[in-house]
Amino acid sequence: QVHLQQWGAGLLKPSETLSLTCGVYGGSLTGYYLNWIRQAPGKGLEWLGEIDHSGITNPNPSLASRVTISVDASKNQFSLKLRSVTAADTATYYCAREGKPGLSGISDAFDLWGQGTVVTVSS
Amino acid sequence: DIQMTQSPPSLSASVGDRVTITCRASQTIRNYLNWYQHKPGNAPKLLIYASSSLQSGVPSRFSGSASGTDFTLTISSLQPEDFATYFCQQSYNTLRTFGQGTRVEIK
Repeated sequence: QVHLQQWGAGLLKPSETLSLTCGVYGGSLTGYYLNWIRQAPGKGLEWLGEIDHSGITNPNPSLASRVTISVDASKNQFSLKLRSVTAADTATYYCAREGKPGLSGISDAFDLWGQGTVVTVSS
Repeated sequence: DIQMTQSPPSLSASVGDRVTITCRASQTIRNYLNWYQHKPGNAPKLLIYASSSLQSGVPSRFSGSASGTDFTLTISSLQPEDFATYFCQQSYNTLRTFGQGTRVEIK
């Protein structure tokens, strides 16, 4: 059964770089958009950006200057880097899969999510 | 950005109750609306996609409907395992946005 497993550092100091990775197990990256989403305490979900297996990315414009999303198709993994973090970046971060229209899975919906990584930014 | 306004923020209900949660989009999103269930410590789970299509494996007591820019998630008979937070999400715009969530609590 396909599942997403994510990992990365959970405690950062202000100005450091957040780095998370999500592995896709039991399935392929091809035919999907691979997304990062976060939820700050007491707030709603925020979409951070997406990438496909070929490396074409689409970040949320509000974070584009600090976000880098990359993919390693050989390892079936994709990653998120968020530079210069502040307390406002404290959140639970999720990876999620979305099918491309006409290609794989359910298009235009996040049909599979990682378990979430709690990231705290504190001095 | 497309704003998704979800209501109510929370509700209390009993097992067996019919529960309705609403999401309103700030502009047309056609039927590009999805519903998710989220329990603490778990990954969010897709329930309904494309406004009214039931995800595989999801019980038929969950249903979705749409009227213009208003979307509704209905649980026909609330079960103990349904106590969770539910949120909507639009996929009409590349910049995906979410509703604030509705927490369904035990009455």
